[in-house]
Amino acid sequence: SQQGEEDPQALSIQEGENATMNCSYKTSINNLQWYRQNSGRGLVHLILIRSNEREKHSGRLRVTLDTSKKSSSLLITASRAADTASYFCATVPYNQGGKLIFGQGTELSVKP
Amino acid sequence: KAGVTQTPRYLIKTRGQQVTLSCSPISGHRSVSWYQQTPGQGLQFLFEYFSETQRNKGNFPGRFSGRQFSNSRSEMNVSTLELGDSALYLCASSLGPDRSTNEKLFFGSGTQLSVL
Repeated sequence: SQQGEEDPQALSIQEGENATMNCSYKTSINNLQWYRQNSGRGLVHLILIRSNEREKHSGRLRVTLDTSKKSSSLLITASRAADTASYFCATVPYNQGGKLIFGQGTELSVKP
Repeated sequence: KAGVTQTPRYLIKTRGQQVTLSCSPISGHRSVSWYQQTPGQGLQFLFEYFSETQRNKGNFPGRFSGRQFSNSRSEMNVSTLELGDSALYLCASSLGPDRSTNEKLFFGSGTQLSVL
């Protein structure tokens, strides 16, 4: 079963704009990770935020985590056409043996 | 360092056949996880192996099986293929199995399986 649900399912923006994707999950977690997937390829890890962290930055990426609301957001600033991809949140729920469970993903399209 | 290698990249089979997919993890990584990705169900966890032992298993029928060798390479097998098994099968490796210690996964490019 899916642990995370992402919103929106699809997002289309112009180059230079910011893109925000949200992820909600159901159970307590150890950490939450965001991955990116270009069409038909493997996933690439972007950023990891621990359950005791509230915000994390990596280049043009900013991730927030609100464990009380069981939600996270990924912000991509000054988007580029090359950011066009699907973005997935993934959680490591407590007491599930450490497996990583993915959400359904947000499909981002950045138009030049 | 070479990344995660999956072979073959594409595979076409017919219903009732069986298939074996291969995954070579990043050198030094001992944990291998397998995921099935379809447009309808998204990324579904199949199983995870560490030191030749299955540590975790997802909710898939017994037709889906896997194994890991002493060099950490892994194979997954699907027997009696069904049309619904058509999917992108992704393998991922990590140093160890415990994602609660903040380990991330490194993914291969996947094997695209089409069942006709």
